[in-house]
Amino acid sequence: GENVEQHPSTLSVQEGDSAVIKCTYSDSASNYFPWYKQELGKGPQLIIDIRSNVGEKKDQRIAVTLNKTAKHFSLHITETQPEDSAVYFCAAPYDTGRRALTFGSGTRLQVQP
Amino acid sequence: DAGVTQSPTHLIKTRGQQVTLRCSPKSGHDTVSWYQQALGQGPQFIFQYYEEEERQRGNFPDRFSGHQFPNYSSELNVNALLLGDSALYLCASSQGLDLYFGPGTRLLVL
Repeated sequence: GENVEQHPSTLSVQEGDSAVIKCTYSDSASNYFPWYKQELGKGPQLIIDIRSNVGEKKDQRIAVTLNKTAKHFSLHITETQPEDSAVYFCAAPYDTGRRALTFGSGTRLQVQP
Repeated sequence: DAGVTQSPTHLIKTRGQQVTLRCSPKSGHDTVSWYQQALGQGPQFIFQYYEEEERQRGNFPDRFSGHQFPNYSSELNVNALLLGDSALYLCASSQGLDLYFGPGTRLLVL
């Protein structure tokens, strides 16, 4: 099965700064990489995903990049706001062709006002 | 449109007991997956149900079992509870690749 590593485990930024979270994966056949945001007391919420046929995808202040050669992908949040404070998880397919996911260990992002 | 719902929200059990957790998927979704999330960790895949059958299973013992009903709702059963089973249990539904999670059931085993 897939193995996903995520860094850093905690990240503190000032409001308006950018935040970057990085993940690596082990299975070169993986082709779908979603990112989830989990707020206190809630389940993870899908915020963006990237598929292996593109290298970058943007959605307003959020962008994801994928480097298939190096087997790593990253989440970039620009102009951070206090409401961005949460735990972020990267994920990759548990097995090729399946819908189950293997998650990273999470990054606790704190945006200081 | 209601999202994924789970019940109960919280549960306290003692070692050796059995527990059943329930999940209703998002409207239009036919696949239900269950994940265990220990405190401070990422969700870990338990198993996935599609067309009332277990389609894929993660690295969890047979004490963990499930069921999917014709209306796509699902149950997770855990027998012979251990202290280490204390966690947030998340249900996720999907139609394609994207998973949509419920709020979870927090299980405490004493």
